Amino acid sequence: EPEVTQTPSHQVTQMGQEVILRCVPISNHLYFYWYRQILGQKVEFLVSFYNNEISEKSEIFDDQFSVERPDGSNFTLKIRSTKLEDSAMYFCASLFRAGELFFGEGSRLTVL
Amino acid sequence: GENVEQHPSTLSVQEGDSAVIKCTYSDSASNYFPWYKQELGKRPQLIIDIRSNVGEKKDQRIAVTLNKTAKHFSLHITETQPEDSAVYFCAASLLQGGSEKLVFGKGTKLTVNP
Repeated sequence: EPEVTQTPSHQVTQMGQEVILRCVPISNHLYFYWYRQILGQKVEFLVSFYNNEISEKSEIFDDQFSVERPDGSNFTLKIRSTKLEDSAMYFCASLFRAGELFFGEGSRLTVL
Repeated sequence: GENVEQHPSTLSVQEGDSAVIKCTYSDSASNYFPWYKQELGKRPQLIIDIRSNVGEKKDQRIAVTLNKTAKHFSLHITETQPEDSAVYFCAASLLQGGSEKLVFGKGTKLTVNP
């Protein structure tokens, strides 16, 4: 069964460092998303991406965040200068058309 | 924007009993309501979903009901088993042009005691 894959599974970084989280969505999917989940809390929408541009973003997704689809398969989330409060599990998700959103296994980011 | 409230935050039942989790949403335009199960350290996985043109949907031991007028929807799990223990999240979204942004509730930690 096709699935969304994410790397790294866990990244530890120092505050102020740049981090790039990578995702490979399901190959025929058209819509791509990043969500985050702070430990023990709910899943929160960050950004959606379609047709090579951001279609919607939340208030969490400020100027420190950016997304890119550098080639036909990868979808990346960059955090320019990490803060302690960026520590969370980041989930990539993809969607073919209206319906089930498929989540990756997540990338745990720990900012020290 | 959409806001989803979920209750209870924790639920403990005996194996074989039923479990009910309730959610309310604020945006009457929302038309898609999925439920996700998340085991510890794992990704959320869709277990059932319902669209606004349907009042109830059932899949084996799991059912979801939707009341559009009251803007609430519920998850019902019958004959619970220990493997049903997990955190369950409801979500709401507006399906528009194929894209959807899910707004999640805060989750319900379900514990099924053997």
